[in-house]
Amino acid sequence: QLQLQESGPGLVKPSETLSLTCTVSGDSISSSSYYWGWIRQPPGKGLEWIGFIHHSGNTYYNPSLKSRVTISVDTSKNQFSLKVSSVTVADTAVYYCARHWTASDAFDIWGQGTMVTVSS
Amino acid sequence: QSALTQPASVSGSPGQSITISCTGTSSDVGGYNYVSWYQQHPGKAPKLMIYKVSNRPSGVSNRFSGSKSGNTASLTISGLQADDEADYYCSSYTSSITRVVFGGGTKLTVL
Repeated sequence: QLQLQESGPGLVKPSETLSLTCTVSGDSISSSSYYWGWIRQPPGKGLEWIGFIHHSGNTYYNPSLKSRVTISVDTSKNQFSLKVSSVTVADTAVYYCARHWTASDAFDIWGQGTMVTVSS
Repeated sequence: QSALTQPASVSGSPGQSITISCTGTSSDVGGYNYVSWYQQHPGKAPKLMIYKVSNRPSGVSNRFSGSKSGNTASLTISGLQADDEADYYCSSYTSSITRVVFGGGTKLTVL
């Protein structure tokens, strides 16, 4: 059974870089049918798509975050990662990794999410 | 402000049916059949309930159904149950540079 698990620091200082990793278990991240994405949710607010990546390295980013976001993939470890630079308190959120089912353009499997707080 | 517009809240009694709307534009909901719906219980990750407008993933109850007319998609839940109380989000492919858009979410209360 496919599972996704986010990991990374729960506290990041303003102006620093937020780094998270999503470990995929139960299937290969190298399947051509899927992209692997990040979505975040500020406390009490809705979902915001950050971006996603194919195992080939092809990426799509939310234009509103593109200048600060990098998503990468490590097929040898069956992981993909998120970096958000120059963070502010507005980046405080629960960060979810999820599998994006290309044929249906939907996120069909989600990680449990990890809370990241930006504070000095 | 979200790209897709949903009502902030809806409510219904057990056994009743409710419908949640999701309004976009011809660049997203109206132009493509790539609308999906997610259910999110408090403190939990979202769960895919409907994909490609009206398709249910394996394991999702047939009480959940989706449809679309013009620029508005809808999620209908029939035979409301207490466990249906949750937040619901729509999402769509968009031909704009944004690529993926979510609605602002709708809180469903089962009275």
